[in-house]
Parts: sequence; C-alpha cells; structure tokens
Amino acid sequence: AAGVIQSPRHLIKEKRETATLKCYPIPRHDTVYWYQQGPGQDPQFLISFYEKMQSDKGSIPDRFSAQQFSDYHSELNMSSLELGDSALYFCASSPILGGGETQYFGPGTRLLVL
Amino acid sequence: AQSVTQLDSQVPVFEEAPVELRCNYSSSVSVYLFWYVQYPNQGLQLLLKYLSGSTLVKGINGFEAEFNKSQTSFHLRKPSVHISDTAEYFCAVTHAYSGGSNYKLTFGKGTLLTVNP
Repeated sequence: AAGVIQSPRHLIKEKRETATLKCYPIPRHDTVYWYQQGPGQDPQFLISFYEKMQSDKGSIPDRFSAQQFSDYHSELNMSSLELGDSALYFCASSPILGGGETQYFGPGTRLLVL
Repeated sequence: AQSVTQLDSQVPVFEEAPVELRCNYSSSVSVYLFWYVQYPNQGLQLLLKYLSGSTLVKGINGFEAEFNKSQTSFHLRKPSVHISDTAEYFCAVTHAYSGGSNYKLTFGKGTLLTVNP
C-alpha cells in the first residue's frame, strides 16, 4: 500500500540557512500534519492543513512557514536555522472522510543544523 | 487540551515474557487514543487505536490495549514478546470530534521497550 513520502530523508544545513521539507500524503488523503521530534523527545505538533487551508497551528516558530498545494502535497519552509532546529520532522496524513482521526506517518526528515 | 503520561520511560523484559506499557491521559472532552511504535531510525507506525465501542482493542504484531475511562488509562499489552519488539512506544491522544478536520495528536514521552534474549 502507498505510504506517506517525505523528502529529503536527511538534510544537513548551517546556522542561518534555509531548508524546505516536502511531504506527499497517501492518495486520497487531504489532511496533512507536521510534527517535530527532538532528540530523545516525543513528537510535537507544528501545523496542519485541510484542503489547502491551515486548520491548526501548534508550537511552530515564526521562522517556519508551511503550505499545502493543489495536489495535497505540503512543504515546510524553515528559515534562519538554529542549532535547536535539529530534529526529526514527521509528516502525517489522514483522509477527511472515514477515518480522518487516524494519522499515517511518513518516515521523517532528519535535519541536522551545524 | 489533552495530555498523556507514560509512566515508564524504559521497560526491559526477557524474550517470551509478557509486557504491559502504561499510559494515562487527561482530557476535559472525549478522546480517541492511539499507540504508535518507532523502531530505531524509522518513522511512527500505528499499532492500534481506540475510537469507540469495545474497550479492548487488538492491533498488529499481537499487541492489544484496553481503554479504561474511569481510570483514564490505555495500557498496551503483549502476552509474549520477541526480540524484534524492541522499540520506542508512544501513546497519543486527540479529541473525539465527529466531522472534524483537525485531529492533532498529543504524545506521551515514550517508553523504550528492550527485549533481551
């Protein structure tokens, strides 16, 4: 079965650089969630989108922005990167009809900021 | 808002022994509950979920969990573990809201299950 695709899987950036993470949801899933998991931490909700509109916002820094496109894929843009942004970033998707409460996670993008 | 407490950060067990990973939640509204497993350097895989109905839910890989509303708990159990079950296990909660488009998850801190030979 098709799963959530995230790219890139690994990313190394310098402080103050920018990064763009991409998420391709499971086909016919129209809701996307982004989570950040710091080293040894639990995943923290960042932001979510439904039908290309932001549906909720969590502890996402102002330096980060995200959007969902017409094909439902989503991108998380991170600017002025800091050392503390080093983490595993997960994208999850869910279908709004029938099972929208269940999220399916991608493999994550591991971001290292040097 | 919801919160989740996983009472044990680490649980070491021997192969073929039973295991229980504890999870308690707090919420002022009805909730949906989930257990996810994270193998080393991998993503989160859904083990099982409780939405409504029978309080005993069965998931993949022989795991099951029981929802106890009075105790606000959702403990995960397996009668006989294997070496391959070694992983981090996360309990998660979201509000039970029919027809909604936002079910952001709140996770517990995770329990590292280590199965020894």
